[in-house]
Amino acid sequence: SQQGEEDPQALSIQEGENATMNCSYKTSINNLQWYRQNSGRGLVHLILIRSNEREKHSGRLRVTLDTSKKSSSLLITASRAADTASYFCATDGQSGGYQKVTFGIGTKLQVIP
Amino acid sequence: NAGVTQTPKFQVLKTGQSMTLQCAQDMNHEYMSWYRQDPGMGLRLIHYSVGAGITDQGEVPNGYNVSRSTTEDFPLRLLSAAPSQTSVYFCASSYSSGGHGGELFFGEGSRLTVL
Repeated sequence: SQQGEEDPQALSIQEGENATMNCSYKTSINNLQWYRQNSGRGLVHLILIRSNEREKHSGRLRVTLDTSKKSSSLLITASRAADTASYFCATDGQSGGYQKVTFGIGTKLQVIP
Repeated sequence: NAGVTQTPKFQVLKTGQSMTLQCAQDMNHEYMSWYRQDPGMGLRLIHYSVGAGITDQGEVPNGYNVSRSTTEDFPLRLLSAAPSQTSVYFCASSYSSGGHGGELFFGEGSRLTVL
């Protein structure tokens, strides 16, 4: 079964507003990552946060991680129409000593100009 | 660098046919993986590899075969295609197996239709 679950599944906001997406996962992790997918394209890595980190910033992106609640959030500030895409969280786990990276079902973000 | 290259981009198969989706990366990455993406299901891991000669199953391995004879290539074989395998397939690679680093680089996808 999939490890992560994003919430909400769809989000529509006006340009300039902030967008917040949440991810919950089930088992302990080493890293949690966020990816973006434009329609019909491959996924692009946005940010990685390690299990011993609580917050990370990259440009207009802010990611938080709460390992006690097994949850993460992605905040996009001052959104732009070009931010319209699907956003996925991905977590890794242990399987016989090797790592599987599994994805949630994603949040579809629409930014209205 | 070309990054991760997937071929073909589009393919139509008949039920029962077999085919191979090709994936190649030129970044000397140890870790490679295959995902399928279906509406409402997100990405599901099919198989992955942490180095040449080492593969393991993901969440949905049935009906698919993989091998890793070189660092660069990680082909995905459909043994006897079924309509349930209609999907978009993504190959991804990473310089590490996830513990340290682990950013995945994705190909542009292969869109497979099984009639």
